[in-house]
Amino acid sequence: KAGVTQTPRYLIKTRGQQVTLSCSPISGHRSVSWYQQTPGQGLQFLFEYFSETQRNKGNFPGRFSGRQFSNSRSEMNVSTLELGDSALYLCASSLVPGRSSYEQYFGPGTRLTVT
Amino acid sequence: DQQVKQNSPSLSVQEGRISILNCDYTNSMFDYFLWYKKYPAEGPTFLISISSIKDKNEDGRFTVFLNKSAKHLSLHIVPSQPGDSAVYFCAARAMEYGNKLVFGAGTILRVKS
Repeated sequence: KAGVTQTPRYLIKTRGQQVTLSCSPISGHRSVSWYQQTPGQGLQFLFEYFSETQRNKGNFPGRFSGRQFSNSRSEMNVSTLELGDSALYLCASSLVPGRSSYEQYFGPGTRLTVT
Repeated sequence: DQQVKQNSPSLSVQEGRISILNCDYTNSMFDYFLWYKKYPAEGPTFLISISSIKDKNEDGRFTVFLNKSAKHLSLHIVPSQPGDSAVYFCAARAMEYGNKLVFGAGTILRVKS
């Protein structure tokens, strides 16, 4: 079974631009979560989607948004990029929220560099 | 407020010996705990998990112990192998937060051959 895939793997953008990152979960997984990893803040939760609905959101500004499609694929968007947005963005998928096991499986991440 | 803490930034262990990675948490609502292993430029790889109703879970060389009264969990790797060298993250979830995982800062494990 294929794992979580994320595209693109690397991205360089300029301050003020916007960016869209894509995530395809493991087949059969319906919940997708996004995390930001930076050296200073570690792994921070951005948001979670299930059945095309945002179920939970972390403490990030409104410039960070996301959505989920009917096939469970998800995208996240960052508008008006700032230098501090440079990070590894990780997508994680899991079966269905509320089940007894809550393992989340991560993709390889998208390395975003803002200059 | 850092709810999940890994107080040891790094750990060095000889091949074949036991590696013990520790994690402390403050939120008593956490009901599920997970350990992930991460190599540079890759996403975290799920290793093992434990529900708050258990105190031990074992999977091959990996065992996780949970002490709820102390709000402490640990990951034991026996025997340690050079390929285990990576960053290990402890993570926790609370039902009220949905699928949100709260991560510790990570511990760098180096297994020397």
